[in-house]
Amino acid sequence: DVKVTQSSRYLVKRTGEKVFLECVQDMDHENMFWYRQDPGLGLRLIYFSYDVKMKEKGDIPEGYSVSREKKERFSLILESASTNQTSMYLCASSLADTPSSPQHFGDGTRLSIL
Amino acid sequence: EDKVVQSPLSLVVHEGDTVTLNCSYEVTNFRSLLWYKQEKKAPTFLFMLTSSGIEKKSGRLSSILDKKELFSILNITATQTGDSAVYLCAVEKWGSSNTGKLIFGQGTTLQVKP
Repeated sequence: DVKVTQSSRYLVKRTGEKVFLECVQDMDHENMFWYRQDPGLGLRLIYFSYDVKMKEKGDIPEGYSVSREKKERFSLILESASTNQTSMYLCASSLADTPSSPQHFGDGTRLSIL
Repeated sequence: EDKVVQSPLSLVVHEGDTVTLNCSYEVTNFRSLLWYKQEKKAPTFLFMLTSSGIEKKSGRLSSILDKKELFSILNITATQTGDSAVYLCAVEKWGSSNTGKLIFGQGTTLQVKP
């Protein structure tokens, strides 16, 4: 079974702090993704990576950056946290694919910015 | 602009009922349509659909895609309280790096009463 592990289930930080969210997958997947999930808005893609050191912006990248130094690990960075970044953050991974491979999700990190 | 719309947004049924969840989409560069089930934690993968008219089935759940009319349905027969969850529909589109990107609907919250 695919295992996607996010380092924290709950996290509380202060406005202006630099915040790191970590995600590790154990299935040698090439692709990794970061989403945020908000009521009424569903899941929205922040950034994704299709290889080590490669990254692409998703639909809402503003205020975020990412790092992928190793294949199994994908980090989301909030450079200067703001209250509107309070949300549930979900990491996912998938195989580089033909045919398509479904994305598998971690349990999420509920982040509160005070 | 790409969009995925699910209906209804919420639904309350009794055990034993059959439910149909709807997902319509307008997405360029369509690759596949996926259904996920989300309880308190990670969305778990249910189905991936790529071809019109071919039903996918897993136990009491089934799903079908209509690429001409741009919609999919998820059916659950003989519902149980364990089916209570948020059901997410996502459309995968081809990205610039040949990586599939998911666009999610808002989700349908299903509550099954004993």
